[in-house]
Amino acid sequence: GIQVEQSPPDLILQEGANSTLRCNFSDSVNNLQWFHQNPWGQLINLFYIPSGTKQNGRLSATTVATERYSLLYISSSQTTDSGVYFCAALRSGGSYIPTFGRGTSLIVHP
Amino acid sequence: KAGVTQTPRYLIKTRGQQVTLSCSPISGHRSVSWYQQTPGQGLQFLFEYFSETQRNKGNFPGRFSGRQFSNSRSEMNVSTLELGDSALYLCASSGGTYTGELFFGEGSRLTVL
Repeated sequence: GIQVEQSPPDLILQEGANSTLRCNFSDSVNNLQWFHQNPWGQLINLFYIPSGTKQNGRLSATTVATERYSLLYISSSQTTDSGVYFCAALRSGGSYIPTFGRGTSLIVHP
Repeated sequence: KAGVTQTPRYLIKTRGQQVTLSCSPISGHRSVSWYQQTPGQGLQFLFEYFSETQRNKGNFPGRFSGRQFSNSRSEMNVSTLELGDSALYLCASSGGTYTGELFFGEGSRLTVL
């Protein structure tokens, strides 16, 4: 199956700082999503981005499918951005088995 | 539009018991998939149902089973619970295509004593 690796595993920031989270995947993908897991465990959709660039407020994401990676940018971070960020990939070819990375744990200090 | 609803949110069981978890997808979504999240193994795919049929299955023992009803609601069952089954169980719904965006519920947190 597809391998999904996220980096860095842990990130500690001061409020107001910018950060870049990376997701590498080992095969062509039909679907690439970024999620933020809130303290209660729910996975909140951030981006559905199998290719290209999208922006939503202070967050943006870019997927370069030909080079098999995706980046999540967080600008002017806030304490509410704390939590774990996951990317999930669905390999091209029809098998509906999403593979998740291990996540990046982000702590934003005031 | 209502989101994905999972019940119960929290439950405690003892070893050897069984448990049934429920997931109601977003209206109009026909695919429901289930995931187990533990600190050691991360997020792992259990199975996916589409139009009442199990379409894909992850690498879990037969004690883990599921089904989907005609209204797309899904249940998963774990029999003969083991301590290692303690986890957050998440379900997601999507339109059902292989490019479809996943939307997750709040999860069911199971503790096995």
